[in-house]
Amino acid sequence: EIVLTQSPATLSLSPGERATLSCRASQSVSSYLAWYQQKPGQAPRLLIYDASNRATGIPARFSGSGSGTDFTLTISSLEPEDFAVYYCHQRSNWLFGGGTKVEIK
Amino acid sequence: QVQLVESGGGVVQPGRSLRLSCAASGFIFGSYGMHWVRQAPGKGLEWVALISYDGSDKYYADSVKGRFTISRDNSKNTLYLQMNSLRAEDTAVYYCAKNRAPYGDSWFDPWGQGTLVTVSS
Repeated sequence: EIVLTQSPATLSLSPGERATLSCRASQSVSSYLAWYQQKPGQAPRLLIYDASNRATGIPARFSGSGSGTDFTLTISSLEPEDFAVYYCHQRSNWLFGGGTKVEIK
Repeated sequence: QVQLVESGGGVVQPGRSLRLSCAASGFIFGSYGMHWVRQAPGKGLEWVALISYDGSDKYYADSVKGRFTISRDNSKNTLYLQMNSLRAEDTAVYYCAKNRAPYGDSWFDPWGQGTLVTVSS
């Protein structure tokens, strides 16, 4: 079973700063990895799929990279609406990572 | 636009059953695989089940296998989750989600707003 480990658990940053979130897979998932954003009280939203493709309507400040076992979600300059929880996800067994909370410093 | 609306949640006693529904609109429902994902209060996301676009293939998380059944009615554009032998640990918000691309395996896009299931005596 492929397990996804996200780090850090919490990231404290200020608006305008760059956010770098990590997701590591216990074995290779090739480029089959996605990222979702979830705000309090809302359903998750797909941000990035196939490691680096932005979903429809997602701003260019969100980017994904990586392949194999190591992946990164980068938010180039945090906007107030970006403070949320982010989950990585792989589709070999559809399991999610534990999440990274991006909070206002 | 694509819309997914879950219903059927509520408070249920341990050991009892509940059926969730997800009404879909804005896309050709019968062309997309569909998923159920749940989230316990204050916890992360847990994938629950997948059904293929035509209902011929079904997959379940180990935590619900043998107790939950996913199904669909393409004539009614509706997805279901029959939950039997419910346990306290099944308490969660249950989301339905559509595969991003038709027919094949894909990512979850979009998601419904969720329905809360509380298992308690």
